[in-house]
Amino acid sequence: GAVVSQHPSWVICKSGTSVKIECRSLDFQATTMFWYRQFPKQSLMLMATSNEGSKATYEQGVEKDKFLINHASLTLSTLTVTSAHPEDSSFYICSVSPPGYGYTFGSGTRLTVV
Amino acid sequence: DAKTTQPNSMESNEEEPVHLPCNHSTISGTDYIHWYRQLPSQGPEYVIHGLTSNVNNRMASLAIAEDRKSSTLILHRATLRDAAVYYCILSQETSGSRLTFGEGTQLTVNP
Repeated sequence: GAVVSQHPSWVICKSGTSVKIECRSLDFQATTMFWYRQFPKQSLMLMATSNEGSKATYEQGVEKDKFLINHASLTLSTLTVTSAHPEDSSFYICSVSPPGYGYTFGSGTRLTVV
Repeated sequence: DAKTTQPNSMESNEEEPVHLPCNHSTISGTDYIHWYRQLPSQGPEYVIHGLTSNVNNRMASLAIAEDRKSSTLILHRATLRDAAVYYCILSQETSGSRLTFGEGTQLTVNP
């Protein structure tokens, strides 16, 4: 499978500020990456599909202006939570999917907005 | 995406086999059955996947019913490190398309 590095593993930010989360595919050129969010005691929820060189595809109910996704290279996708509020506190996880190798997930980023 | 149904929780004793069931009565003929697990505060990790035939790998075995409306993930000898949430997911592809996670089964392994 692929190797995925997600950074930071945790971050605390003040309400109203923006936070950027990076997802790197270390050994696979990923034209597509997936971003999930997971609230405590809940399952993963797909937020968006990140497409290299083009706009991300957002799931219904996910605000694209609040969760900015940039996938400028085949090895890096970033998720920026803009004007974060306490309700955005969650565990954010990225994923890549090399053909024939299933899905590999990052280790996740714990975001706490205070 | 076709829906899967799993028990909310299961318990096992260390070094005993564990059978984790998954119902997927609306599975289509082209749906693959994927199993992932998630340890606390980590991203999910791949366990196994199959289409029609039973599958074995170093982590687990996947037993698929003949009508494909259910499957069972088998951990042959549970260890404390197997305590995790196990997700059974259907997808029309083995990779590349979105995965929709259900609630999964929280497996507790007792020493």
